[in-house]
Amino acid sequence: ELKVEQNPLFLSMQEGKNYTIYCNYSTTSDRLYWYRQDPGKSLESLFVLLSNGAVKQEGRLMASLDTKARLSTLHITAAVHDLSATYFCAVDANAGGTSYGKLTFGQGTILTVHP
Amino acid sequence: NAGVTQTPKFQVLKTGQSMTLQCAQDMNHEYMSWYRQDPGMGLRLIHYSVGAGITDQGEVPNGYNVSRSTTEDFPLRLLSAAPSQTSVYFCASSYQGRSSGNTIYFGEGSWLTVV
Repeated sequence: ELKVEQNPLFLSMQEGKNYTIYCNYSTTSDRLYWYRQDPGKSLESLFVLLSNGAVKQEGRLMASLDTKARLSTLHITAAVHDLSATYFCAVDANAGGTSYGKLTFGQGTILTVHP
Repeated sequence: NAGVTQTPKFQVLKTGQSMTLQCAQDMNHEYMSWYRQDPGMGLRLIHYSVGAGITDQGEVPNGYNVSRSTTEDFPLRLLSAAPSQTSVYFCASSYQGRSSGNTIYFGEGSWLTVV
């Protein structure tokens, strides 16, 4: 059974600081997703990581994937208040074959950025 | 192009009542799925479909039925609502294309309360 664990679950940051959210998963997969969710809203796709060593960056966020370590990271650079949200990683349950969009989610990391 | 549309957005049910959450997508996606989101648990897969006429169970299927008679629609039926089904429900759709990276699109969510 695929398990996905994020840490930390709660993250309080000061503006301007850097931090990393970790996503560990238990079985082989080569597709990992990062989403952002604002309170009462749907999930916004941030990154789709499709291979070992994949690195993607968008603004102050950078995500990477190490399939051998079964680890993905979401690095936040020089945080700003607008990044306050809940961040989820999700792993495709159908490793190595056709993806049917079946995801196993982590618990989510609630990020709060303070002035 | 509306993306993934869910109705209703909010619903209150009495224990034992039945209802259907509607989901429609206009992107001609093969794959559709239903998730529920509970506090502190991320999203969990209820049922998914890989095409019209083909559905399968996810992680938490009990108490829910689905069918997929068309590519566009994937309704979720609660047969006899229970308070444990109080949750936020998200419908998602995707396809696997060479350049798509299997981006998964989520609907806006349906907030269901069972009293």
